[in-house]
Amino acid sequence: DGGITQSPKYLFRKEGQNVTLSCEQNLNHDAMYWYRQDPGQGLRLIYYSQIVNDFQKGDIAEGYSVSREKKESFPLTVTSAQKNPTAFYLCASRQTDNYGYTFGSGTRLTVV
Amino acid sequence: AQKVTQAQTEISVVEKEDVTLDCVYETRDTTYYLFWYKQPPSGELVFLIRRNSFDEQNEISGRYSWNFQKSTSSFNFTITASQVVDSAVYFCALRGGSNYKLTFGKGTLLTVNP
Repeated sequence: DGGITQSPKYLFRKEGQNVTLSCEQNLNHDAMYWYRQDPGQGLRLIYYSQIVNDFQKGDIAEGYSVSREKKESFPLTVTSAQKNPTAFYLCASRQTDNYGYTFGSGTRLTVV
Repeated sequence: AQKVTQAQTEISVVEKEDVTLDCVYETRDTTYYLFWYKQPPSGELVFLIRRNSFDEQNEISGRYSWNFQKSTSSFNFTITASQVVDSAVYFCALRGGSNYKLTFGKGTLLTVNP
């Protein structure tokens, strides 16, 4: 079955360490997105990519980095510069000629 | 700029009650798309409905119905005869026709008690 796989589901890191969250899709979608969710804050866009080797900052890109070397993959790195990294991270994808978004099951990152 | 407001932070009902979740949006785009998503405790976002700005026809799907009114910039969601399994966070979202960003409201936590 086609879908988006985010791994791992739970991730713990020490403060000051970079960590990379995985997002893989087999839907052949062109566009991919990373959202961050905090309690009571809804979802906020971190980065998005419409095609391979191209990506744009969203509303809260500071302290994060991404790459899009393959159509299927859009990993997110949470760097030590992100001041409040503990959150729930959701990856999504969309075919450019379709307005529906498909979401992964998320990764809950806890920085201690 | 796009904005989605879900004024109800939490709603608690008893099973079989009807419940309406409110959503008000702002956009300068003349063409736009509105969405409702459900987020159960497991965390994934489940797509419920998409509505185009040029289609104001309201929709009913089983126990779910949606009321889209451009005049008041609202896209409300009603669950009829609520069930415990409806307990979740519900998000309203907006995508303007001129960009690729999906803007979410802060969500409404619905708790349906037996």
